[in-house]
Amino acid sequence: DTGVSQDPRHKITKRGQNVTFRCDPISEHNRLYWYRQTLGQGPEFLTYFQNEAQLEKSRLLSDRFSAERPKGSFSTLEIQRTEQGDSAMYLCASGPAGQFIREAFFGQGTRLTVV
Amino acid sequence: AQKITQTQPGMFVQEKEAVTLDCTYDTSDPSYGLFWYKQPSSGEMIFLIYQGSYDQQNATEGRYSLNFQKARKSANLVISASQLGDSAMYFCAMRDNTNAGKSTFGDGTTLTVKP
Repeated sequence: DTGVSQDPRHKITKRGQNVTFRCDPISEHNRLYWYRQTLGQGPEFLTYFQNEAQLEKSRLLSDRFSAERPKGSFSTLEIQRTEQGDSAMYLCASGPAGQFIREAFFGQGTRLTVV
Repeated sequence: AQKITQTQPGMFVQEKEAVTLDCTYDTSDPSYGLFWYKQPSSGEMIFLIYQGSYDQQNATEGRYSLNFQKARKSANLVISASQLGDSAMYFCAMRDNTNAGKSTFGDGTTLTVKP
């Protein structure tokens, strides 16, 4: 299967711990996006990369959050000192470069529960 | 700033009937793309249909069609011949083509198809 894959699918952590999620995009896609989705709401944009460059970050991405895409392939999203409010589904998506891209392809998400 | 409004938190439809899910949007950008995604209980976001702001005709993809009324800033999704497997959360989203990084999502509509 050559879709977007995310690991882990589920993560339970204690408040104050650090967590890291991984996203492997579709191999030929230059763009990679991270979104956060809380219960009952639509996904909210966090950040996106074109190749290894992080081109935009939402103000939702506080200084406890950091994302990297070191070689322009997979990406990691790290949350430091987790808080209960960080509990959400974290979605990764990828898409080809180009101004009029049609759709992004989403992974199945990582569900984070902070206890 | 872009905004997507989905006013129907939940909708019911009888199997084999058609259903319309409402979406209105707000943007000052002349070039944008509108999307609909389906999110089943498993969590992945499945792309359904795309409409470009300059497209003259309404988009169709199998049983899905998008009723695009640019002057009213609406992009309603029509699902014909509903199936039990259509029961899911549906999200309307918009991407600004001058900043093709992020999409803005609505809060979704939960569709339940009754046998």
